[in-house]
Amino acid sequence: DAGVIQSPRHEVTEMGQEVTLRCKPISGHNSLFWYRQTMMRGLELLIYFNNNVPIDDSGMPEDRFSAKMPNASFSTLKIQPSEPRDSAVYFCASSLALRWGDRPLYEQYFGPGTRLTVT
Amino acid sequence: SQQGEEDPQALSIQEGENATMNCSYKTSINNLQWYRQNSGRGLVHLILIRSNEREKHSGRLRVTLDTSKKSSSLLITASRAADTASYFCATDSGAQKLVFGQGTRLTINP
Repeated sequence: DAGVIQSPRHEVTEMGQEVTLRCKPISGHNSLFWYRQTMMRGLELLIYFNNNVPIDDSGMPEDRFSAKMPNASFSTLKIQPSEPRDSAVYFCASSLALRWGDRPLYEQYFGPGTRLTVT
Repeated sequence: SQQGEEDPQALSIQEGENATMNCSYKTSINNLQWYRQNSGRGLVHLILIRSNEREKHSGRLRVTLDTSKKSSSLLITASRAADTASYFCATDSGAQKLVFGQGTRLTINP
């Protein structure tokens, strides 16, 4: 089975340009997560969706960032306008809920990431 | 802020030795998970330990959980060069999202 697919793998753009990152979660997973990873801040959760609905976007840095999940098999993370401080690796992950009594367990499956460089 | 804090930040050992990494967290959890990240790759799930479990094994991995101390440890026995990676703990407090620590960078020297 294919894992989480992200595109592009690398993106270099100039400050002020719009950037769109794409993610295809694992088929059958109903939760999707967007993370950003930098040396300084580590791995940060930006937003996550459950059944295509945004649940928690408190990690989105500012209004320049937006994310959508129009259907169960596709999500985008858009930065407009981009700034040099947005340079990072952006990961998408999807999860499979495993029931344990009344407490669901979630293991997340990560994509390979998109390395974004804003000059 | 990060829930999990790994210790040490970096660890370098000889091949064949055991590697131990620790994770501390602040709030109550449903489960704690460990992930590995090879350079330039996404994170890969290694093992999950539930809040009512104290120890779990998977191959050369051994995870312990002490909820009274809010801490966990990951032991990798008989380390190999291929174990070189960063290791992250992640806590699940029931809100569905995981909160990751800063990670331990493990280097296995041949």
